[in-house]
Amino acid sequence: SQQGEEDPQALSIQEGENATMNCSYKTSINNLQWYRQNSGRGLVHLILIRSNEREKHSGRLRVTLDTSKKSSSLLITASRAADTASYFCALTAYNQGGKLIFGQGTELSVKP
Amino acid sequence: KAGVTQTPRYLIKTRGQQVTLSCSPISGHRSVSWYQQTPGQGLQFLFEYFSETQRNKGNFPGRFSGRQFSNSRSEMNVSTLELGDSALYLCASSLDPAGVVDTQYFGPGTRLTVL
Repeated sequence: SQQGEEDPQALSIQEGENATMNCSYKTSINNLQWYRQNSGRGLVHLILIRSNEREKHSGRLRVTLDTSKKSSSLLITASRAADTASYFCALTAYNQGGKLIFGQGTELSVKP
Repeated sequence: KAGVTQTPRYLIKTRGQQVTLSCSPISGHRSVSWYQQTPGQGLQFLFEYFSETQRNKGNFPGRFSGRQFSNSRSEMNVSTLELGDSALYLCASSLDPAGVVDTQYFGPGTRLTVL
């Protein structure tokens, strides 16, 4: 399957701690994006990382990509209660245009 | 710029009926994609449109169809609704026609319940 696989499925941490989510995949990719979803609402785009990039930062977010291991990770530093949400990785595979292939998501709970 | 808008936000239908969902992309975006989200199957790709042409299609039965208009607005239609069609339907738009290196922005979704 080309589907991304995320690990862990659920993560519970205290405010101020860091949260790390991992995504593995099986196909060659053009890029990989991370999204956040609150309570079954729309997806909010966080970061896009291209296949020729290794790391990107956006505020408290850091994304890494290792194409040799076919894996990516999302790190949220100094987490806040407002970061509580589901996080999804979504990849666009080589030669499949704009089709996003999603992982099953990580449910993050940040306790105040 | 206004974000991606979807109408209606909530919909209740009965088995056998048909439904049409609408999506208006971000101004200037020409690519629109549709996704179905269910607790069991997660987020699955339905189809992608660019310049009124379907560029890519997911593994869904023919009851699921879509189209895109000249102003890039898109509709998807589901005929002969089944209970399993109950889901959150999400629309995404992007600037790049192939969406290869461009961000896809999602709307709030339409929650469809089939009774």
